[in-house]
Amino acid sequence: DAKTTQPPSMDCAEGRAANLPCNHSTISGNEYVYWYRQIHSQGPQYIIHGLKNNETNEMASLIITEDRKSSTLILPHATLRDTAVYYCIVRVWVGNSGGSNYKLTFGKGTLLTVNP
Amino acid sequence: GAGVSQSPSNKVTEKGKDVELRCDPISGHTALYWYRQSLGQGLEFLIYFQGNSAPDKSGLPSDRFSAERTGGSVSTLTIQRTQQEDSAVYLCASSLAGGPGNEQFFGPGTRLTVL
Repeated sequence: DAKTTQPPSMDCAEGRAANLPCNHSTISGNEYVYWYRQIHSQGPQYIIHGLKNNETNEMASLIITEDRKSSTLILPHATLRDTAVYYCIVRVWVGNSGGSNYKLTFGKGTLLTVNP
Repeated sequence: GAGVSQSPSNKVTEKGKDVELRCDPISGHTALYWYRQSLGQGLEFLIYFQGNSAPDKSGLPSDRFSAERTGGSVSTLTIQRTQQEDSAVYLCASSLAGGPGNEQFFGPGTRLTVL
């Protein structure tokens, strides 16, 4: 899997948008960008994933640059409960073809602190 | 709907004792994974189940660790003769194998402390 780099920490005011960047300059054409987060003392939580188009779900939006070398996770209205470590990873989609890319490996991630 | 559940949430045991950790995946998820996370460390893959079979046990750190899955649902991770270095949070995840993105949904984990 391609390596990703993220800032170690970020702060955001409650109610404002949180924009978390991720660089993945060595991403391959068949690798997806995934975001997970881990709130203190809880298991990791899947947020969103995408290949090249921007994606939005009930939790967040994912903006992927045209060259796919970087992406940004956007939490549109951050709340105190969004304080967590956010992990950006790139991996091949297993899909129906099987393969062994199911092993999730997290880097250091970004500690997002939402302040009141 | 119900997510992945794990029990117990916390387990304190003495060195040399055996422990069993349980995972109930999301209903209908055929793939199940065990990971562990030591304090301040990243995620360490242990084992992957597809149905009741385990095509990948490569992450089990020693033969003291074993896991089984019955009925394509509940899984049990057993650690025999526990050692202090086994202390960690043991996380279980499940996924709808073959689904878009194959995203894994995690349980809350079992915090194991070996004294």
